[in-house]
Amino acid sequence: QITLKESGPTLVKPTQTLTLTCTFSGFSLSSSGLAVGWIRQPPGKALEWLAHIYWNDDKYYSSFLKSRLTITKDTSKNQVVLTMTNMDPADTSTYFCAQLTTSASYSYGFWGQGTLVTVSS
Amino acid sequence: DIQMTQSPSSLSASVGDRVTITCRASQSISTLLSWYQQKPGKAPNLLIYGASTLQSGVPSRFSGSGSGTDFTLTISSLQPEDFATYYCQQSASSVMYTFGQGTKLEIK
Repeated sequence: QITLKESGPTLVKPTQTLTLTCTFSGFSLSSSGLAVGWIRQPPGKALEWLAHIYWNDDKYYSSFLKSRLTITKDTSKNQVVLTMTNMDPADTSTYFCAQLTTSASYSYGFWGQGTLVTVSS
Repeated sequence: DIQMTQSPSSLSASVGDRVTITCRASQSISTLLSWYQQKPGKAPNLLIYGASTLQSGVPSRFSGSGSGTDFTLTISSLQPEDFATYYCQQSASSVMYTFGQGTKLEIK
């Protein structure tokens, strides 16, 4: 059974750095063809893709946010970490992590429940 | 960057209706197109990948078609549990995946 769960602060102040951790089970990120990504959703708005990291450590970032994002993995801990610098109230969103499978046309087949992050002073 | 445009942005329909949602890419994405269903307060759920392949466990009333720039998601006979928001997503650009803006399907 594949599960993913996001963890991190629920409230951050403007200009601070956000660090989110995705802890997963049921698969290994050392397995060829797999990746874990981050997607966010502002309240009442659409999904926005942020980044993902592949089993071979290839990393891809949203062109809009690339300068602020870093994604890393710890295969031994089954974790993927996303950091976002210089947080702004516009970054208030629910942040999801999800498993991507290249064999399923690079789709996100399994998702975490999401974690709401509010940016406010 | 590849832009994804869904239409309509919202749709009212009745149980038993046949519904079609479209998604258009700003450039060709072959069949690297997925559809997701999202209910309020929940994570998205993958329905279709590769433009037309039904994800395991998804009811057969859902179907997808298209290639290149134009894609459709069809629900053949709406059920009460299908009222939700639907998103398309392209995965053709390894640099930047993008979602459509969503289609909210409401009960008439």
